[in-house]
Amino acid sequence: GQNIDQPTEMTATEGAIVQINCTYQTSGFNGLFWYQQHAGEAPTFLSYNVLDGLEEKGRFSSFLSRSKGYSYLLLKELQMKDSASYLCAVRDSNYQLIWGAGTKLIIKP
Amino acid sequence: ETGVTQTPRHLVMGMTNKKSLKCEQHLGHNAMYWYKQSAKKPLELMFVYNFKEQTENNSVPSRFSPECPNSSHLFLHLHTLQPEDSALYLCASSQEVTSGGARTDTQYFGPGTRLTVL
Repeated sequence: GQNIDQPTEMTATEGAIVQINCTYQTSGFNGLFWYQQHAGEAPTFLSYNVLDGLEEKGRFSSFLSRSKGYSYLLLKELQMKDSASYLCAVRDSNYQLIWGAGTKLIIKP
Repeated sequence: ETGVTQTPRHLVMGMTNKKSLKCEQHLGHNAMYWYKQSAKKPLELMFVYNFKEQTENNSVPSRFSPECPNSSHLFLHLHTLQPEDSALYLCASSQEVTSGGARTDTQYFGPGTRLTVL
């Protein structure tokens, strides 16, 4: 079966750096997405990786290793507003999105 | 503002009621989706419409009935729901682009309807 694994919950300190990991086993691979979802709000698109390597976008970076079935989202200079759930999703060979259950990130002062 | 709106934001209904969820996208996209989001579970894709045609129906019970009258509007009609159907229902849209045989699209989500079935 197809599976996306990410930690259920993480805690970090304001101003610090946190890395949220995502591992996947899917039938084929056509890209990996990261979304941010604040409680009670819509998931919002953060990043897309289809080739190996690091994609940097401001304080957020996303890394992909297709050979390892692995990605991470790196958040730098954490702010209280970064408290949210972070969803990892992989597009399989049928171009269907397979979603992880999300990682709830708690930022403490 | 994501360009995708959903109404109502909250809905409480009994098991014998009939209600409808509405989604509207203002992004000019050609595909729309319904997802179910339950606590601590992955998003579950329910229905997909491309160019107003339903292309996927992931074994969703018939008590959920989608309708897509045009490329900007999507409805989810609900009837005789069960308490386990209580969840956040998310609508999304995307622009399907084919490049060299590969399909690329990023989905943009609405804020969801929080549904409680009593």
